[in-house]
Amino acid sequence: KQEVTQIPAALSVPEGENLVLNCSFTDSAIYNLQWFRQDPGKGLTSLLLIQSSQREQTSGRLNASLDKSSGRSTLYIAASQPGDSATYLCALTGGNEKLTFGTGTRLTIIP
Amino acid sequence: ETGVTQTPRHLVMGMTNKKSLKCEQHLGHNAMYWYKQSAKKPLELMFVYNFKEQTENNSVPSRFSPECPNSSHLFLHLHTLQPEDSALYLCASSQRPGGPYEQFFGPGTRLTVL
Repeated sequence: KQEVTQIPAALSVPEGENLVLNCSFTDSAIYNLQWFRQDPGKGLTSLLLIQSSQREQTSGRLNASLDKSSGRSTLYIAASQPGDSATYLCALTGGNEKLTFGTGTRLTIIP
Repeated sequence: ETGVTQTPRHLVMGMTNKKSLKCEQHLGHNAMYWYKQSAKKPLELMFVYNFKEQTENNSVPSRFSPECPNSSHLFLHLHTLQPEDSALYLCASSQRPGGPYEQFFGPGTRLTVL
């Protein structure tokens, strides 16, 4: 059974700093991995999608990497802003074709 | 409207009530999903529909009854719920179920069962 872990559960960073969020998974047989953002009480906003054959994806200040052999993905946020404060979720589509989510990292950017 | 919409955004109901959640996608997708997000737990997949046919029921209690009249609309009918069913219910859609297809999520319905 696929298990997705995100550590730490919460992170506080001063504004302007670069930061990395981590996601690890136990089964490397995946189709893709998505990073989502969720604001309190709201739905999920897709940030980046990395297909199994890709190593990374970039969108603006965000860069996501995928290393299937080690079962890890990272989300790099450059020059953090208070508006980046949210919970970040990673989720992957595995061999069972279902999306399995991690529990998320709650990010707070301190002005 | 664009993307995936859900109504209502908030719902409070008693354990004896019957209510329905509605989801609509404007993306031309063929697969639709219901997820449950409880506090301190990862999102849980509840149901998957592909071309109006249910392809997945993730051991969901029968007090939750999904309905998919067409590829653009998905309902979740609720009856005799329990307080532990209070959660954020999220709808999603994708071009096809599973595989390499990206899922797009709605804003969710915050359900409180008294």
